Amino acid sequence: QLQLQESGPGLVKPSETLSLTCSVSGGSISSNSHYWAWVRQPPGKGLEYIGTIHQSGVTYYNPSLKSRVTISIDKSKNQFSLNLASMTAADTAVYYCARLLVLTATDYFDFWGQGTPVTVSS
Amino acid sequence: QTVVTQEPSLSVSPGGTVTLTCGLSSGSVSSTYNPSWYQQIPGQAPRTLIYSTSTRSSGVPHRFSGSILGNTAALTITGAQANDEADYYCVLYMGRGIWVFGGGTRLAVL
Repeated sequence: QLQLQESGPGLVKPSETLSLTCSVSGGSISSNSHYWAWVRQPPGKGLEYIGTIHQSGVTYYNPSLKSRVTISIDKSKNQFSLNLASMTAADTAVYYCARLLVLTATDYFDFWGQGTPVTVSS
Repeated sequence: QTVVTQEPSLSVSPGGTVTLTCGLSSGSVSSTYNPSWYQQIPGQAPRTLIYSTSTRSSGVPHRFSGSILGNTAALTITGAQANDEADYYCVLYMGRGIWVFGGGTRLAVL
């Protein structure tokens, strides 16, 4: 069974860069049929797509966050990572990593990590 | 920017039927948007319910079904149970690597 586990700091200072890693076990991050995604959820609010990466290195980002987001992949470690720059209080959220199955006429998030809470505060 | 719309809240009686919808601020939802639905119990990670408009994910009870209803995607729960009380999110694929979540529907079973 595929498992995803987020890791990183739970507290970030304003203006700093958030760095999170998602470790994938029970499956290969090098699958051609899957993208690897980050999704976040501010307290009491809904889910927001941040971006995705494919094992080929292709990335897609939410236009509203694109200027601050970098997603990278480390196939040797079966991990992918999120960097979000210039953090503000509005970026306080639970951050989820997820696997996105992408096939012809089908795409959906099929596995999710448990999420890691991140608070932006000085 | 296109907004994906959902009812903020709905309620259903135990054993009853409820339909949640997923629309667009501009235009109609069709199967080409590959609608998918996720259930989230507060404090937990989302759980995949439906993908490709109407395909149930593994282990999802048959009381959950997906469809296109008019100009929206729809999630219908038939024979609602107490443990269906949760937040429900739809996701639409907008193309060019952009997936958009709806605002979510909080479903109460009472």
